[in-house]
Amino acid sequence: AQSVTQLDSQVPVFEEAPVELRCNYSSSVSVYLFWYVQYPNQGLQLLLKYLSGSTLVKGINGFEAEFNKSQTSFHLRKPSVHISDTAEYFCAVSKTGGFKTIFGAGTRLFVKA
Amino acid sequence: SQTIHQWPATLVQPVGSPLSLECTVEGTSNPNLYWYRQAAGRGLQLLFYSVGIGQISSEVPQNLSASRPQDRQFILSSKKLLLSDSGFYLCAWSEAAGGVTGELFFGEGSRLTVL
Repeated sequence: AQSVTQLDSQVPVFEEAPVELRCNYSSSVSVYLFWYVQYPNQGLQLLLKYLSGSTLVKGINGFEAEFNKSQTSFHLRKPSVHISDTAEYFCAVSKTGGFKTIFGAGTRLFVKA
Repeated sequence: SQTIHQWPATLVQPVGSPLSLECTVEGTSNPNLYWYRQAAGRGLQLLFYSVGIGQISSEVPQNLSASRPQDRQFILSSKKLLLSDSGFYLCAWSEAAGGVTGELFFGEGSRLTVL
């Protein structure tokens, strides 16, 4: 079975500073990895995904993530955050070829002026 | 393009009353459909998923049930709500297994408060 651990429940950061949201996963099989973002009282939308190939994945809104197989990590980064990036971010994993997605507990990013 | 609609957006119900949340998907055929529940600080918990009409898999024993009467319609129900059923319910769809990525497309959510 797969599992996902998001190491920080909340991350406060000043506007224009860099940010890293950490995610570790466990799985005995090949997986796909995802980051989703949720704005208040809305559903989730996909930021980026890793399926195969290059371990550095670029997504929307200037976010990127790096897949590290040896460390079973998929950390999300942005070099300079904006107030509008304030939201909850979820790391998720699904088994390759499968159809169930397991989510982490979420990290609330709070960008301060 | 594909769209997903979920309603009602907000619901306040007394303990012991029934529940029906509905979700429909447009612009795709034979999607996989999912119901998730989100509780504060606990991420998303998969409640039910369906790979076809009438085919429902339950992930967590609970007071809720799901049905898929049509290909692109997914309903979450309860006969008698409990206080612990309060939460934010999210419907989602993905392309059928066998060639896809598992990417989920979410509805806007339904916030249920049981009093």
